[in-house]
Amino acid sequence: GAGVSQTPSNKVTEKGKYVELRCDPISGHTALYWYRQSLGQGPEFLIYFQGTGAADDSGLPNDRFFAVRPEGSVSTLKIQRTERGDSAVYLCASSLDSYNSPLHFGNGTRLTVT
Amino acid sequence: AQSVTQPDIHITVSEGASLELRCNYSYGATPYLFWYVQSPGQGLQLLLKYFSGDTLVQGIKGFEAEFKRSQSSFNLRKPSVHWSDAAEYFCAVGPLTGNQFYFGTGTSLTVIP
Repeated sequence: GAGVSQTPSNKVTEKGKYVELRCDPISGHTALYWYRQSLGQGPEFLIYFQGTGAADDSGLPNDRFFAVRPEGSVSTLKIQRTERGDSAVYLCASSLDSYNSPLHFGNGTRLTVT
Repeated sequence: AQSVTQPDIHITVSEGASLELRCNYSYGATPYLFWYVQSPGQGLQLLLKYFSGDTLVQGIKGFEAEFKRSQSSFNLRKPSVHWSDAAEYFCAVGPLTGNQFYFGTGTSLTVIP
């Protein structure tokens, strides 16, 4: 079956611009996560959705970052006024529910801010 | 604070040799533990998981891991490494508070012929 799909796979933007990153989870997965992975690091938690609501957004680094999941399926991570330090691979993952379900990851979006 | 430590940044093994990747965690109770593998340009793929019960868990691709509560460790092993195993390996703990999974910094595996 289809896995987690993330688009675009690569995004280059100029400092100060706005970007949107899209995640299509596995059908039927109610839990959706966004992670950020910098070079040489493990994935860093950003935000977790259970259904349509953001159950935990404590990992968002500042108010330039925002994510939505309006219909409980596709999610969009939005970054305003991008900075060079935002350059990283943004990973999306979904799972059936939460506690006992492992994460299924997409291939990520590589964001480069110039 | 919860954390995951992977002490080895990079490991090189010969094809056919055995492999052990180390993972130590810090958590107030028995956590859920995972190992993921990431090939270049790819997302993370689950190798195996530990929730409870038997402390030796089997995963895909011939990998296994052993949970040792006394050592707060969850080391990944494979008896005979194949060239296709070359990748980045991440140990993870979770979900903890707020359903967060915490990942280690990863161990990069190189396999030489």
